[in-house]
Amino acid sequence: AQSVTQLGSHVSVSEGALVLLRCNYSSSVPPYLFWYVQYPNQGLQLLLKYTSAATLVKGINGFEAEFKKSETSFHLTKPSAHMSDAAEYFCAVSRHHTGRRALTFGSGTRLQVQP
Amino acid sequence: KAGVTQTPRYLIKTRGQQVTLSCSPISGHRSVSWYQQTPGQGLQFLFEYFSETQRNKGNFPGRFSGRQFSNSRSEMNVSTLELGDSALYLCASSRADSSSYEQYFGPGTRLTVT
Repeated sequence: AQSVTQLGSHVSVSEGALVLLRCNYSSSVPPYLFWYVQYPNQGLQLLLKYTSAATLVKGINGFEAEFKKSETSFHLTKPSAHMSDAAEYFCAVSRHHTGRRALTFGSGTRLQVQP
Repeated sequence: KAGVTQTPRYLIKTRGQQVTLSCSPISGHRSVSWYQQTPGQGLQFLFEYFSETQRNKGNFPGRFSGRQFSNSRSEMNVSTLELGDSALYLCASSRADSSSYEQYFGPGTRLTVT
């Protein structure tokens, strides 16, 4: 069984500050991991993915995440927050070894950016 | 390249009715998955279709069903609607080859059951 835990349902940062959104996973096999962002009244947009290549993954909009097997973590970071980053962020894990594509999502973290 | 499209975007139904939602995947994508998003349960996987066959199913009652057509377009159906079925239903498509596991989501269909 797989699961994803996102610590902190709400995170507030000042514009220009570091963004750190936490994600820990549980998987019986090496996981594929994803971060998605959801803006109000929209679907999910893929930010970045980890699929067993480089452990430091760069995504869109200046976000990156580091896969740490020893800590079972895949935290999302951005050096400098922008007002447009305010949204809800979801970490997800995939059971890739079965060839199937069901994603298990965390409960989400709402990021607020203060001017 | 056009993204995943879903129709309709908004829907209001009455308890006991049934509803059909439609999804057109990105061109060339053969896998289509459906998810339900609610404030209480979050994002939950419903089912995945590939080559017109359901190959993966989440933990939802049989009232939730789907199908996929030869052009990879997919529909999902919910029969005998309940108030708890009110949710955002998201469709996602994927290339379905062994090198690509990311899914691309549509804007969703917001279903309200009264």
